[in-house]
Amino acid sequence: GDSVTQMEGPVTLSEEAFLTINCTYTATGYPSLFWYVQYPGEGLQLLLKATKADDKGSNKGFEATYRKETTSFHLEKGSVQVSDSAVYFCALSGGSYIPTFGRGTSLIVHP
Amino acid sequence: DAGVTQSPTHLIKTRGQQVTLRCSPKSGHDTVSWYQQALGQGPQFIFQYYEEEERQRGNFPDRFSGHQFPNYSSELNVNALLLGDSALYLCASSLGFGPATIQYFGAGTRLSVL
Repeated sequence: GDSVTQMEGPVTLSEEAFLTINCTYTATGYPSLFWYVQYPGEGLQLLLKATKADDKGSNKGFEATYRKETTSFHLEKGSVQVSDSAVYFCALSGGSYIPTFGRGTSLIVHP
Repeated sequence: DAGVTQSPTHLIKTRGQQVTLRCSPKSGHDTVSWYQQALGQGPQFIFQYYEEEERQRGNFPDRFSGHQFPNYSSELNVNALLLGDSALYLCASSLGFGPATIQYFGAGTRLSVL
């Protein structure tokens, strides 16, 4: 079945550092790929998405590129802020249209 | 515009009891999905409702059941609670369903089973 594997956290960075959170997936066909973010005490909210190979999703300085050849959708940001501290979830939506989520990666940004 | 609202926020039950969680979808949305999120894990899909019918179901036992009302709001019922049912239960709504459909999540109901 479909699955998503994310790098283990927590990822701890200083403000203005470069961020990469790795995500790889297993799915049949051509799934859509998503990054969701969960701030403390809140539900998940969509950060960005990509629906076909080589698409780049971007939002709030975050980017991720749909790489079918490596089945990856790594999240990057050039300069993180304290306010980016949250848990980030990679997800895919395949033939059933039901999202499959990774375990989440906690990001902690220090001033 | 109200987003997805869930009630109650927190709930404490004992083993064997039954619980009902409630969800109001984002205005204009007609599809509601329920997820279980254990501590330190990603959300696990329980089931999805569309047009008052269960459209899809994840790998959860029949103790988990649900309902969608004509106004698109939804309930999740769990019978014969087990300690392992302790988790954050998330409701998500969307407009229809499809490969690129964005789900909008509520803040969740934290269920503790003692």
